[in-house]
Amino acid sequence: DIQMTQSPSSLSASVGDRVTITCRASQGIRNDLGWYQQKPGKAPKRLIYAASSLQSGVPSRFSGSGSGTDFTLTISSLQPEDFATYYCLQHNSYPWTFGQGTKVEIK
Amino acid sequence: QVQLQESGPGLVKPSQTLSLTCTVSGASISSARDYWSWIRQHPGKGLEWIGYIYYSGSTYYNPSLDSRVTISVDTSKNQFSLKLNSVTAADTAVYYCARFNFDSRGYPNFDYWGQGPLVTVSS
Repeated sequence: DIQMTQSPSSLSASVGDRVTITCRASQGIRNDLGWYQQKPGKAPKRLIYAASSLQSGVPSRFSGSGSGTDFTLTISSLQPEDFATYYCLQHNSYPWTFGQGTKVEIK
Repeated sequence: QVQLQESGPGLVKPSQTLSLTCTVSGASISSARDYWSWIRQHPGKGLEWIGYIYYSGSTYYNPSLDSRVTISVDTSKNQFSLKLNSVTAADTAVYYCARFNFDSRGYPNFDYWGQGPLVTVSS
């Protein structure tokens, strides 16, 4: 299985801060990666696909980058509604695997 | 509006079989475009993909669970189901059913999910 190592596991930030979350794959996955946001008690929602493409309807403050083994999700200016847990998902090979998640909390 | 709703016992005894059904409304489970999946989330942990079924009946199971899991589909009821045998406390988790399909560039998107009931394995 491809292991997805996500960091940090949690972070505290203020509204307006720039936030960066990383995901490292145990082997190259090209750009076969998505980022999902999960709010408490809710199902996850895709934000980014193909590592860097913004899902329709998602605010432009979210962006993704990377290819191969190293990927980044950036929130350029954190908003109150962005406090949530974020997961990466690789779909390069079966079984598809998620990162362990990054919980973004209010500072 | 597409909706997925899980149903089944919230408490299962160790060594027994966990059974959940996902009822789909607002979409046909026989759609050639869609795949129907189960994903679980252990308390306070990340997400684990259990597997999927296509309306034709073809399946994929995560090898970590392969020997214990069965996913089936009932197109007449627009439902699909999960059975996990020989459960232990380690199978306690929130179990989501979810739909995924492939966008125009071939990237998968889990676009609709159920609410995800907590299933506890305990005597």
